[in-house]
Amino acid sequence: EPEVTQTPSHQVTQMGQEVILRCVPISNHLYFYWYRQILGQKVEFLVSFYNNEISEKSEIFDDQFSVERPDGSNFTLKIRSTKLEDSAMYFCASRPLAGANVLTFGAGSRLTVL
Amino acid sequence: AQSVTQLGSHVSVSEGALVLLRCNYSSSVPPYLFWYVQYPNQGLQLLLKYTSAATLVKGINGFEAEFKKSETSFHLTKPSAHMSDAAEYFCAVGGSQGNLIFGKGTKLSVKP
Repeated sequence: EPEVTQTPSHQVTQMGQEVILRCVPISNHLYFYWYRQILGQKVEFLVSFYNNEISEKSEIFDDQFSVERPDGSNFTLKIRSTKLEDSAMYFCASRPLAGANVLTFGAGSRLTVL
Repeated sequence: AQSVTQLGSHVSVSEGALVLLRCNYSSSVPPYLFWYVQYPNQGLQLLLKYTSAATLVKGINGFEAEFKKSETSFHLTKPSAHMSDAAEYFCAVGGSQGNLIFGKGTKLSVKP
């Protein structure tokens, strides 16, 4: 069964460092998403991406965050200067053009900011 | 705006007992509703979805949920819990751009 793959599974970084989280969505999917889950809290929407541009973003997704689809397969989330409160599990998801909001999620990338 | 509320952050049942995980939603438009499950150290897996067809929705692993518009509820049930059902369960409502809005999650423990 097709799956969304994320790398790295766990990254530890120092505060102020740049981090790039990578995702390979399912190949025929056209919508891509990033969500995050701070430990013990709910899963929160960050951003959605379609047709090579951001289609929606939450208030969490400030200027420190950016997304990119650098080639035909990868979808990345960059955090420019990490803060302690960026420590969380980051989930990538994708869905096809028609799919009643049925997202397929990756296993997540755990980011720890020290 | 859309939102979901999950009642009970932690539910504990005995193996073989009924599982009931509660979810209430708020939506100004007919909602798409979902239940996702998260096993330890894994991603979110779709259990079932409601997309305005049948109000009783059957999902994987013997779970089902009933959409009740009058109660704005979408509770998740399973007649007989199994040890392997221990996980965290998230109710979600579909947002305007295809994104999902999640509840805070309910951790299900199953006692032998």
